[in-house]
Amino acid sequence: DAGVIQSPRHEVTEMGQEVTLRCKPISGHNSLFWYRQTMMRGLELLIYFNNNVPIDDSGMPEDRFSAKMPNASFSTLKIQPSEPRDSAVYFCASRDQGVGETQYFGPGTRLLVL
Amino acid sequence: GNSVTQMEGPVTLSEEAFLTINCTYTATGYPSLFWYVQYPGEGLQLLLKATKADDKGSNKGFEATYRKETTSFHLEKGSVQVSDSAVYFCALSDKSWGKLQFGAGTQVVVTP
Repeated sequence: DAGVIQSPRHEVTEMGQEVTLRCKPISGHNSLFWYRQTMMRGLELLIYFNNNVPIDDSGMPEDRFSAKMPNASFSTLKIQPSEPRDSAVYFCASRDQGVGETQYFGPGTRLLVL
Repeated sequence: GNSVTQMEGPVTLSEEAFLTINCTYTATGYPSLFWYVQYPGEGLQLLLKATKADDKGSNKGFEATYRKETTSFHLEKGSVQVSDSAVYFCALSDKSWGKLQFGAGTQVVVTP
């Protein structure tokens, strides 16, 4: 199994630009989670989906952030417009809800907003 | 709400030393408990887990026991290696939706 795939691995952009992060969960997994990791705030859950439906987006910091899951094998996290304080590592994780609670993490996207 | 508290790092050890990382939690009900490890530049990997009181999770020489009476899930390893240098996260799971609540992470540095 290829594991959770995220792209790009690194992104450098300028303030005000749109950023789109992509995630392909493990095949057969029906839950998907987006996290943000910073030194100051640690790991924060932004949003999670179950069977492609957003269940809880209370962790999304503000309206500049949006996430979609158009099908079971793809999700995006979009930031528009981006700001320097959005600089962080963004992780996607997936889970097979029918098997257990273990989440499998992707390698992350390291975002730097200048 | 649910919360996880783990000891602050960094923890610096010599190779072959004994490692303990303390983790305590606050939760309603009976959550599952996890330890995840993050190596430099990588995502988090599940290290071990326990789903009910008195369960012991173990993997790669690491162990942790689910202690309901003390609401703790301390991680231990008897003899660490340089390759164990990483950040270790304690977490609990909301069994209804599987949301993970993470601790702040503890960096472990093992020197030769």
